[in-house]
Amino acid sequence: DTGVSQDPRHKITKRGQNVTFRCDPISEHNRLYWYRQTLGQGPEFLTYFQNEAQLEKSRLLSDRFSAERPKGSFSTLEIQRTEQGDSAMYLCASDRTGGVGGANVLTFGAGSRLTVL
Amino acid sequence: GQQVMQIPQYQHVQEGEDFTTYCNSSTTLSNIQWYKQRPGGHPVFLIQLVKSGEVKKQKRLTFQFGEAKKNSSLHITATQTTDVGTYFCAGPVGDYKLSFGAGTTVTVRA
Repeated sequence: DTGVSQDPRHKITKRGQNVTFRCDPISEHNRLYWYRQTLGQGPEFLTYFQNEAQLEKSRLLSDRFSAERPKGSFSTLEIQRTEQGDSAMYLCASDRTGGVGGANVLTFGAGSRLTVL
Repeated sequence: GQQVMQIPQYQHVQEGEDFTTYCNSSTTLSNIQWYKQRPGGHPVFLIQLVKSGEVKKQKRLTFQFGEAKKNSSLHITATQTTDVGTYFCAGPVGDYKLSFGAGTTVTVRA
């Protein structure tokens, strides 16, 4: 499979627990993104990596959220001390530099759906 | 900051009918992209429009980019059950981010 892979697909946790999501982008894509999607809304930007460098983190992300992309390959998104408001679909996407007009086409993974009880 | 608005939020269509969904940006866009998300699925890229006034067709889907590059539309002719899903437009913010609209969710009556 040459698409974007995300794991786990579903996660149910209790409030206060920590969760971690993993994303494996398309191998030749050097740019990786995390977006969050809640019911009835479009994806919202969370953070962006170019290779292993995290170049932007949205103000939507509190300090309970951390993302890494060691070696510029897969990425992890960790949420500490989860809250009910963190319940959402966490989407990973990738692309590569060199697009038209400032933004490339994104290839999204299937997402990791988080439910915080 | 840039905002992308889509109308209508919901579109209930009789199978075989046509409909149009609209996307408006608060700022001029360098390009606009459209994605489709099937129920329970993830956004999948449909098309990118770059030029002012550009029109592109994909079978029964016609995409248009406004002359001022601040709005776009998606027109579907002879709607089929396979068209069910949520259609998002998205405009770039800077060099890499996309700002997505809230989407138009399409349901089809057979």
